Amino acid sequence: EVQLVESGGGLVQPGVSLRLSCAASGFTFSNFWMHWVRQAPGKGLVWVSHISPDGRTTNYGDSVKGRFTISRDNAKNTLYLLMNSLRAEDTAVYFCGRDLFGPTDFWGQGTLVSVSS
Amino acid sequence: QSVLTQPPSASGTPGQRVTISCSGSRSNIGSKVVNWYQQLPGTAPKLLIYNTNQRPSGVPDRFSGSKSGTSASLAISGLQSDDEADYYCAAWDDSLSGYVFGTGTKVTVL
Repeated sequence: EVQLVESGGGLVQPGVSLRLSCAASGFTFSNFWMHWVRQAPGKGLVWVSHISPDGRTTNYGDSVKGRFTISRDNAKNTLYLLMNSLRAEDTAVYFCGRDLFGPTDFWGQGTLVSVSS
Repeated sequence: QSVLTQPPSASGTPGQRVTISCSGSRSNIGSKVVNWYQQLPGTAPKLLIYNTNQRPSGVPDRFSGSKSGTSASLAISGLQSDDEADYYCAAWDDSLSGYVFGTGTKVTVL
């Protein structure tokens, strides 16, 4: 059974860093592009970042470029998102996903990040 | 703010056909494939259409996608109460070098 389980969310103050993790199981993790997508409370979906199967290619959405870093450890079947200089507007549920723009998409259930003083 | 614009809402009675539009530009819809997602309340999104008009395994053929120029559309035929959800389009944008989602459309079954 395919599973993606996000962790690492929580309540943090503005300006701090936080690292999200996404543990994958049930499929060959190293074969797939992986993504992070976020959704602020009551708002729409926003694509955050993606990473190639070998980890060499990454892209970011404009709102997080220069502050967030995506990475993966294929030996541990885990995707990461390092979020620096967090702002109130980064408050959202963060979903990790496999092949989100292809026919074999799979989404995790999300982890909530709240940025507030 | 998203570069893909959708109407905030759409509605229909059971059995009707509902169409949702997604307006973009040459750097996204005009030159790239379009995907559509359904998000039921409190759940993660689900892919409905990929490559503009292809359905993943398990998605009923009541859902169909199309594209013309810089706009795309999702049609839901034979509307059912289970179709009440938010729907989002998405595409790669060459100018941004990233994916973009539409603003989202809430479908209500009357």
